[in-house]
Amino acid sequence: GDSVTQTEGPVTVSESESLIINCTYSATSIAYPNLFWYVRYPGEGLQLLLKVITAGQKGSSRGFEATYNKETTSFHLQKASVQESDSAVYYCALGSSNTNKVVFGTGTRLQVLP
Amino acid sequence: EAAVTQSPRNKVTVTGGNVTLSCRQTNSHNYMYWYRQDTGHGLRLIHYSYGAGNLQIGDVPDGYKATRTTQEDFFLLLELASPSQTSLYFCASSGGLGTSYEQYFGPGTRLTVL
Repeated sequence: GDSVTQTEGPVTVSESESLIINCTYSATSIAYPNLFWYVRYPGEGLQLLLKVITAGQKGSSRGFEATYNKETTSFHLQKASVQESDSAVYYCALGSSNTNKVVFGTGTRLQVLP
Repeated sequence: EAAVTQSPRNKVTVTGGNVTLSCRQTNSHNYMYWYRQDTGHGLRLIHYSYGAGNLQIGDVPDGYKATRTTQEDFFLLLELASPSQTSLYFCASSGGLGTSYEQYFGPGTRLTVL
């Protein structure tokens, strides 16, 4: 079936350090998967961080970036220098443009220390 | 001016209790969704709707009913709550079907069934 596996949290890094949260996917029923990263800040709902619909492309937002790698079925989230305000839960997800089905990873809690 | 609101934010009930979770969106979106999130799982779709009076079955519908009374309002009903329904529930809305349309999430309702 379709699934998403991501880094198990919590992940703790110090401010200004680099970050990578791994995400790999399996898309057996979705011919052309779209890939997403969502973020959930404390007390808020999930919000879309970035989205990539074409293999080989990179998405970026708020200093975060992720590249859709079809060969390794990966979509890792990276940031060169994190800030305390990046502390949140990050969800990797895959979906399709023509169905309602969105498969979410379990979420990775990131804590950035000042 | 949050576009998707949920109430209550926290709820504690007993086994066999009757619970209604409410969701309202002011995005003028046609689609609304109910998800649950549990430790070790990604968000899982319970029910969704594409308009007032419509209801579609999601991936984990057992034990849940839902009703869409207006374009704005979508309710999740647990008529005989069980401890296995202890979870964090998210409501979301989107302008259309499929991942071409971003989903906008509410802040979540934490339900505990004792």
